[in-house]
Amino acid sequence: SQQGEEDPQALSIQEGENATMNCSYKTSINNLQWYRQNSGRGLVHLILIRSNEREKHSGRLRVTLDTSKKSSSLLITASRAADTASYFCATDLNDMRFGAGTRLTVKP
Amino acid sequence: KAGVTQTPRYLIKTRGQQVTLSCSPISGHRSVSWYQQTPGQGLQFLFEYFSETQRNKGNFPGRFSGRQFSNSRSEMNVSTLELGDSALYLCASSLPSSSNYGYTFGSGTRLTVV
Repeated sequence: SQQGEEDPQALSIQEGENATMNCSYKTSINNLQWYRQNSGRGLVHLILIRSNEREKHSGRLRVTLDTSKKSSSLLITASRAADTASYFCATDLNDMRFGAGTRLTVKP
Repeated sequence: KAGVTQTPRYLIKTRGQQVTLSCSPISGHRSVSWYQQTPGQGLQFLFEYFSETQRNKGNFPGRFSGRQFSNSRSEMNVSTLELGDSALYLCASSLPSSSNYGYTFGSGTRLTVV
């Protein structure tokens, strides 16, 4: 069964704009991770945030975690057409469980 | 270093047949996890292996099985295939704990059951 739920299911923006995706989960976690998937391919690990961290940055990515609300957000700043992909959050407790994903389209 | 290798990339099978998929993890990674991805159900966890032992299992019927060898390579088997088993099967490897580095995924095996 899935653990996380991403919101929105789909997001369409113009190049240069920021994209924000949210993830809610149900149980306690060791860490939360975000992955990207280009159409029909494997997932690529983007960033990991531990349960005792509140914010983390990596390049144009910013992730926040609120364990009291069991939620996380992924912000992609200054988006590019190459950022077009599906984005998944995954929670790690005993094993990794993924949400349904947000489909991001960045228009040139 | 080489990534996670899954073979074959594409597979077409008939209902009732069985299939074996293979996954070679990144050198040094001893944990291998398998996922089924379909448009309707998203990414569903199948099982995780570590040091040749199944550590966790998802909610799939017994037709789905797997194993891991001493070199950490893993195989999954699906017997008595059903149309609903058509999916992208993804394998991911990690160090003993994914807590620091996350998973590295293979490109997947696209299974079509006709």
